Amino acid sequence: DIQMTQSPSSLSASVGDRVTITCRASQDISNYLAWYQQKPGKVPKLLIYGASTLQSGVPSRFSGSGSGTDFTLTISSLQPEDVATYYCQKYNSAPQTFGQGTKVEIK
Amino acid sequence: EVQLVESGGGVVRPGGSLRLSCVGSEFNFDDSGMTWVRQVPGKGLEWVSGINWNGGRTVYADSVKGRFTISRDNAKNSLYLHMNSLRAEDTALYHCAKVGTPRGYSYGTLEYWGQGTLVTVSS
Repeated sequence: DIQMTQSPSSLSASVGDRVTITCRASQDISNYLAWYQQKPGKVPKLLIYGASTLQSGVPSRFSGSGSGTDFTLTISSLQPEDVATYYCQKYNSAPQTFGQGTKVEIK
Repeated sequence: EVQLVESGGGVVRPGGSLRLSCVGSEFNFDDSGMTWVRQVPGKGLEWVSGINWNGGRTVYADSVKGRFTISRDNAKNSLYLHMNSLRAEDTALYHCAKVGTPRGYSYGTLEYWGQGTLVTVSS
């Protein structure tokens, strides 16, 4: 099975900072990569699919890039409401493995 | 507004069984793929199982294969997860989620999630 590895596992940044989270697949998944945001006490929310397509209603400060095995989620200007854990997930086939998550906090 | 409401969780002894249910509304349930995802409180997400729009294709994580069975009743807008031979490591909050794209598939983007139902396996 394909493994998904995220880094870092956690980060602390200041409001307005640019934040980057990476996700690596153990095999080529083309662009079948989604990113989810899970705020404390809430269910996950789909942010990005197709590696770079923003889900409707998601703020434009979020962006995704990559293909094959290496992917990136970028928050261009971190806001207090972005405090959450972010997960990548492959969806080209089952099993739909998630990354282990990246917890984003405000410094 | 799309709604997914899970039920059926509870406390069960190791080796026991449980059936989870999920009722969907405000979307075309009968042409949507559906999945179950679980999360140990405070830990990460684990995909468990998926089913395509008509129930003809089902897929499972290795950790539950042979013990869990996913099914659906489109007439009742309902998704099920039959869990047998439960283990302590199955303890988690179980969410049902609607597959967005590819449409109708047993796997894909998870565009809507339910709040979950808690399963505790303990003696």
